[in-house]
Amino acid sequence: DAMVIQNPRYQVTQFGKPVTLSCSQTLNHNVMYWYQQKSSQAPKLLFHYYDKDFNNEADTPDNFQSRRPNTSFCFLDIRSPGLGDAAMYLCATSEEGGVSYGYTFGSGTRLTVV
Amino acid sequence: DAKTTQPNSMESNEEEPVHLPCNHSTISGTDYIHWYRQLPSQGPEYVIHGLTSNVNNRMASLAIAEDRKSSTLILHRATLRDAAVYYCILRDYVPNAGKSTFGDGTTLTVKP
Repeated sequence: DAMVIQNPRYQVTQFGKPVTLSCSQTLNHNVMYWYQQKSSQAPKLLFHYYDKDFNNEADTPDNFQSRRPNTSFCFLDIRSPGLGDAAMYLCATSEEGGVSYGYTFGSGTRLTVV
Repeated sequence: DAKTTQPNSMESNEEEPVHLPCNHSTISGTDYIHWYRQLPSQGPEYVIHGLTSNVNNRMASLAIAEDRKSSTLILHRATLRDAAVYYCILRDYVPNAGKSTFGDGTTLTVKP
């Protein structure tokens, strides 16, 4: 089945040590999103790619970066993770503006910072 | 982004219908209404979406008010597996504007 895959499912990193989370999709959707979801909170959009165009949310910290080398893959880089960055990170895709078909989410990567 | 407002929590008995409301009084003419649900430790899952007319699919029904300022997700017979957080969001169909803000959602508890 076409899907959105996030690896790893769980990631433990040290305070201040760079970490990369990955997302791949077989849907050939042109838009990819990264959301951060802290415990008992709603998902919060960090940034999205519309094709190769990167769109950052105004309140996303500089500590968070993203790369999209091709249609299928997208990476979330956290340059210097702090304890406050512990969260579930969700990758999602959509087609065009995604209005007709909505988002397809991966299962998420739960990040722990120690 | 236009905002949505949902009750924090709702309860239902198994096998009974559930009506989950959502208010979106600032909806624009180009906004679609989408519903997602999120099970514990999973990513949100698409449930249903609509623009003006009521919609049905295998998971649920969506009833949209005539003025589009509110909508209701209807689960016809709740099961224990429907216990989740349900999010109502608005999505603009303008290209490259298809991002949305998730509200706090409604936590649905289904009692056996």
